[in-house]
Amino acid sequence: DQQVKQNSPSLSVQEGRISILNCDYTNSMFDYFLWYKKYPAEGPTFLISISSIKDKNEDGRFTVFLNKSAKHLSLHIVPSQPGDSAVYFCAASDNYGQNFVFGPGTRLSVLP
Amino acid sequence: EAGVAQSPRYKIIEKRQSVAFWCNPISGHATLYWYQQILGQGPKLLIQFQNNGVVDDSQLPKDRFSAERLKGVDSTLKIQPAKLEDSAVYLCASSLEVSQPGYTFGSGTRLTVV
Repeated sequence: DQQVKQNSPSLSVQEGRISILNCDYTNSMFDYFLWYKKYPAEGPTFLISISSIKDKNEDGRFTVFLNKSAKHLSLHIVPSQPGDSAVYFCAASDNYGQNFVFGPGTRLSVLP
Repeated sequence: EAGVAQSPRYKIIEKRQSVAFWCNPISGHATLYWYQQILGQGPKLLIQFQNNGVVDDSQLPKDRFSAERLKGVDSTLKIQPAKLEDSAVYLCASSLEVSQPGYTFGSGTRLTVV
């Protein structure tokens, strides 16, 4: 019973183009969402967050969109750079800041 | 600031043996988490500490896993006895407060049980 799903195990994008990573969740009580980036042999690094009172949050090249009715969020990276190549995890919490549930991750490859 | 330190980086043990992992969080971070990440899956929370008290250990297999955080700083996670399915990366993370999202992860300990 995966509560947080990332249905695309991998994604390849050309440098300079937009990368869109998707995440779906089943628990309507989730009220806070995070995206993490993970390079090989390193721990996940916090990227961006969004609370359920918003539908968009932007930080530089990274924008997260939340569609509560569809229980869907997405991470947009514009423009994509080779250094963005990593595994991206979506995480959700139903108790602001506690007990985050992680998705299985999407491996992004940005091709030069 | 120094990051979250974990040791060892790698460990290979035989099933039924015991193993311990150590974590030193960022100085001043009151909240500490242990996560288990099995290959191909996202991290799964095992236990959460606030200072030296346990906030949530509902997903910790208590028959074989134990964790402590003495003095509210360093933490140790132990597995005894280990099973093949315990092979995973064990990640430690810390945050300033429980309510602060985006906590900082260490590099993890990769455990292989053979």
